[in-house]
Amino acid sequence: NAGVMQNPRHLVRRRGQEARLRCSPMKGHSHVYWYRQLPEEGLKFMVYLQKENIIDESGMPKERFSAEFPKEGPSILRIQQVVRGDSAAYFCASSPSGQGNNSPLHFGNGTRLTVT
Amino acid sequence: GNSVTQMEGPVTLSEEAFLTINCTYTATGYPSLFWYVQYPGEGLQLLLKATKADDKGSNKGFEATYRKETTSFHLEKGSVQVSDSAVYFCALSGGSSNTGKLIFGQGTTLQVKP
Repeated sequence: NAGVMQNPRHLVRRRGQEARLRCSPMKGHSHVYWYRQLPEEGLKFMVYLQKENIIDESGMPKERFSAEFPKEGPSILRIQQVVRGDSAAYFCASSPSGQGNNSPLHFGNGTRLTVT
Repeated sequence: GNSVTQMEGPVTLSEEAFLTINCTYTATGYPSLFWYVQYPGEGLQLLLKATKADDKGSNKGFEATYRKETTSFHLEKGSVQVSDSAVYFCALSGGSSNTGKLIFGQGTTLQVKP
């Protein structure tokens, strides 16, 4: 049973370009969470999605960042016009029910974005 | 809002030493508490969890007890190994806003020397 799959593993972008990060949740999981980990820091929640719906985007920057989880295909985190401060590891996690008490999150190995 | 505070690292120990990593939390309602471990270059793996007061989570020799009276969930291991070297994150979810979203502490790096 494959775990949470994220790609690419490493992504290098120049300032002003767009970054697209993909996440395929575990089989049977319909709840996806995105987190950002800045160097030497903990993970900060960004957004929580179910299929075709954004449930909680309280951690998303107001500009340049967007996320989707379509009916078919992976969840996408999109960063437009990247800046150096966007350099970080972005982790995706999934769960079957969105009820963390009984279904802990399963994390992917992350995408490490470097903006040059 | 909900928050988690961990002791600052790095924590450096010799093999077979006793480990404690402190974690305290602030939350409304009755959250669940977790410890995750992150090995270099990898994602987070669930280490253990506790869902109600006085529960003890345990796995791979690690333990943590949910203490509501002190709002703590300290991680302990009696005898660490070099292979335990990693970053450890304390986290909570649930409480009054149960969307499954995890709130993490800042992480504590553990280095175990042979």
